[in-house]
Amino acid sequence: DAKTTQPPSMDCAEGRAANLPCNHSTISGNEYVYWYRQIHSQGPQYIIHGLKNNETNEMASLIITEDRKSSTLILPHATLRDTAVYYCIVLITAGNKLTFGGGTRVLVKP
Amino acid sequence: KAGVTQTPRYLIKTRGQQVTLSCSPISGHRSVSWYQQTPGQGLQFLFEYFSETQRNKGNFPGRFSGRQFSNSRSEMNVSTLELGDSALYLCASSQGGLNNGYTFGSGTRLTVV
Repeated sequence: DAKTTQPPSMDCAEGRAANLPCNHSTISGNEYVYWYRQIHSQGPQYIIHGLKNNETNEMASLIITEDRKSSTLILPHATLRDTAVYYCIVLITAGNKLTFGGGTRVLVKP
Repeated sequence: KAGVTQTPRYLIKTRGQQVTLSCSPISGHRSVSWYQQTPGQGLQFLFEYFSETQRNKGNFPGRFSGRQFSNSRSEMNVSTLELGDSALYLCASSQGGLNNGYTFGSGTRLTVV
C-alpha cells in the first residue's frame, strides 16, 4: 500500500489559511489522494480528493505536485470548528480500502 | 438525504460473548466498509462488501466477520470477545467506484469488560 507521511501536529490562527502537507512518494499512477478529518471521535468526514489536478470545493483546496509525490490541503479561513485530526490517504486501486496513517492534529487558536 | 446509520451507538459486552453491529448505508450506495479505531492502532480496515460480496479483507482474526444484505445493509460480527476488541467501530458507504468518496457513520463504541 502507498504510505503517507504527515506532521503529527500543527497550530493555526483563526481566520488564517491552514496549509497541511502530506508526502506520498510511493503513490501509483492511478491512485487517488483523499483527505478526511475526524473531530473528537466522530466518524471521519470527507473533505476532498484528487488524482492529478488541483481541486477545490466549499471546504478546502487540494494542491497536488506535478510528480504526485506530495500534496497540500488548504483550509482558506480556519475557524475554531476546524480543530480536528486530518488524514491524508491514498486509495489503493485494488481493494477499495482507505489506509489511515497517524494524521495531523490541527489546533485552531483564537 | 439520510447519512450512514450505525446501531447501536454504545455497547458493553463481557469477555467471551459475541456481538453484532449494524450499518445502513446511504441510499444507492452499494459498497460498505468497516473500520476499527483504537487509541493504540488508529483506524484500521476490517473488510469491504459490494453487492453482497466481500471484496477485500484486512488483517484481523477470523473472529471478525461480516455480511451484506440485498438492500446493501451490512452487519459485522465479533465472536469470543476479548478486552482488546474494545474500540470505535466505523462503517463507511460508497457508490463503489474509485472516484467516489466514502461517507462514514458515527460509529459504535464497543466496550468489553
